[in-house]
Amino acid sequence: GAVVSQHPSWVICKSGTSVKIECRSLDFQATTMFWYRQFPKQSLMLMATSNEGSKATYEQGVEKDKFLINHASLTLSTLTVTSAHPEDSSFYICSASETNRAGQPQHFGDGTRLSIL
Amino acid sequence: TQLLEQSPQFLSIQEGENLTVYCNSSSVFSSLQWYRQEPGEGPVLLVTVVTGGEVKKLKRLTFQFGDARKDSSLHITAAQPGDTGLYLCAGGYTNAGKSTFGDGTTLTVKP
Repeated sequence: GAVVSQHPSWVICKSGTSVKIECRSLDFQATTMFWYRQFPKQSLMLMATSNEGSKATYEQGVEKDKFLINHASLTLSTLTVTSAHPEDSSFYICSASETNRAGQPQHFGDGTRLSIL
Repeated sequence: TQLLEQSPQFLSIQEGENLTVYCNSSSVFSSLQWYRQEPGEGPVLLVTVVTGGEVKKLKRLTFQFGDARKDSSLHITAAQPGDTGLYLCAGGYTNAGKSTFGDGTTLTVKP
């Protein structure tokens, strides 16, 4: 149980392109979803927290106009990297939680490797 | 901002050796999770600990939660190459709306 599907796994695109990443909870309702960015051999860096039906809460230093997050249903959240540039290349991971209480286990997708040429 | 310190950052050992990874904070956790992540994949939940002094075992992995709920450890007995990966602890604090992740421990077990 508690499966999270993230799509696509890999994206390679030209600079200036906008890229959408989907995160779906397959067998549970995700009250809260999180979006992370991860650099090689480093820990997860939280970008934003999204609750179904409300605006995402972005971490300090994360541009909300650059990284658009939509959480329109209890099973789907999307992250759109707008006008992507090479410095946006990274591994992006989503996770989902069945509650919005702090400290609850998160179920992670398998990540999206984004490469901007 | 709550800080969660994880140590060591890197660990390279031979198959069959034992190891311990530590996760410490100056604040009290409401709960704590340990995850393992393999390259190119998302983290996988190993365990959640909630009660101070709690000990949980998962095959060769033993997880301890400190009595004061400010620290935790992960002990692996007779490590195997399949244990290789990035181990992450994540703590929830009662006055925060999200979990905080440690910097991770990259474990390499050589055959």
